Amino acid sequence: AQKVTQAQTEISVVEKEDVTLDCVYETRDTTYYLFWYKQPPSGELVFLIRRNSFDEQNEISGRYSWNFQKSTSSFNFTITASQVVDSAVYFCALITGGSYIPTFGRGTSLIVHP
Amino acid sequence: GAVVSQHPSRVICKSGTSVKIECRSLDFQATTMFWYRQFPKQSLMLMATSNEGSKATYEQGVEKDKFLINHASLTLSTLTVTSAHPEDSSFYICSARDVGHEQYFGPGTRLTVT
Repeated sequence: AQKVTQAQTEISVVEKEDVTLDCVYETRDTTYYLFWYKQPPSGELVFLIRRNSFDEQNEISGRYSWNFQKSTSSFNFTITASQVVDSAVYFCALITGGSYIPTFGRGTSLIVHP
Repeated sequence: GAVVSQHPSRVICKSGTSVKIECRSLDFQATTMFWYRQFPKQSLMLMATSNEGSKATYEQGVEKDKFLINHASLTLSTLTVTSAHPEDSSFYICSARDVGHEQYFGPGTRLTVT
């Protein structure tokens, strides 16, 4: 069975601070995919990134960066110089090669204050 | 990227009535669609998996007679909440999977039962 843990329920920062959202996953499959989604107050899920289990390269996209560490089963997400528009709930998700059905973490609510 | 639409985006209905929610893949064929439910401040919970032309597979604890799912074509799946009650009020999200196993989420439907 697979599991995704987002231990941080809510994070509150002041604009321009850097913030890291943690994601720890569990799976016995060797082939799997990890995702991050953003859910703003409107409710729509916004896809941010997908990473497969064979690619441990970290990725940077503008102010966003992701750190994938198979050794610790973690896929952490960092926002640099946070902005008010980053306020949202962020979900980490796992899809294993067998089921292709995503397992979501509980989500981390990020609040960025001006 | 691929687009998935949901209609309606918001619906308010009276207790005891039925509500139908549509999920459409606009520019690709979706062999499989998923229906999720999300309560406030909680994660997405998978309700059922529907494959075109066959009966949906419901997750444990989801009443199949209450949440009717029809996947009549490769671009349309519907979720009907029958005899809705206030406890059915929730945010319902669909996702569609293409032949390459990429999954795309709809914008969600907020159901309020009064």
